[in-house]
Amino acid sequence: EVQLVESGGGLVQPGGSLRLSCVASGFTFGDYCMSWVRQAPGRGPEWVAHIKKDGNERWYVDSVKGRYTISRDNAKNSLYLEMKSLGAEDTAVFYCARDSGDSYYKYYYMDVWGKGTTVTVSS
Amino acid sequence: ETVMTQSPDTLSVSPGERATLSCRASQSVRNNVAWYQQKPGQAPRLLIYDASTRATGIPARFSGSGSETEFSLTISTLQSEDFAFYYCHQYNDWPPRTFGQGTKVEIK
Repeated sequence: EVQLVESGGGLVQPGGSLRLSCVASGFTFGDYCMSWVRQAPGRGPEWVAHIKKDGNERWYVDSVKGRYTISRDNAKNSLYLEMKSLGAEDTAVFYCARDSGDSYYKYYYMDVWGKGTTVTVSS
Repeated sequence: ETVMTQSPDTLSVSPGERATLSCRASQSVRNNVAWYQQKPGQAPRLLIYDASTRATGIPARFSGSGSETEFSLTISTLQSEDFAFYYCHQYNDWPPRTFGQGTKVEIK
């Protein structure tokens, strides 16, 4: 069964840091680009970051550039999201998602999602 | 950034009826649009990609159409399990990839 399992969420104070992890199973992790998507309470999903199969290319939404870092370890079938300088606007459920689609033109949609991990930024 | 605007915000439908959801892109996104279903407390689930291709395991009552800036998702005969939020998503022009604000399909 294709599966993504996130962990690492929790309560963090404003200005703090957190590292999220996602472990993949049921497919060859190194064959896929991956993304992180977040969803604030009562809002729609928001794509946050993307990483290429080999980790050599990364893209971010403007609001997290310089604060979030996406990385991966293909030997461990794992995806990570390092977050720093967190604020209330970062409070959300964070989902790990597999990217599928046209790798030549980079038309990627997210076809497999984890259940998510909740990040709450509050004092 | 490509803005995706969905309509209506809420759609009230009786079981067994047909539902049509709309999504408009602020610029052409070719056919690079996906539709997701989300139920409370669950992750989004891929229904449609490339505007009209059903994802694996998605029932035939779900269909997508459109290109460039106008897209729609149709649920031909609503089942009880179809009452949920639906989001359109463009992956043509990124970063960032963007989602619509969502349409809630509720029981009439």
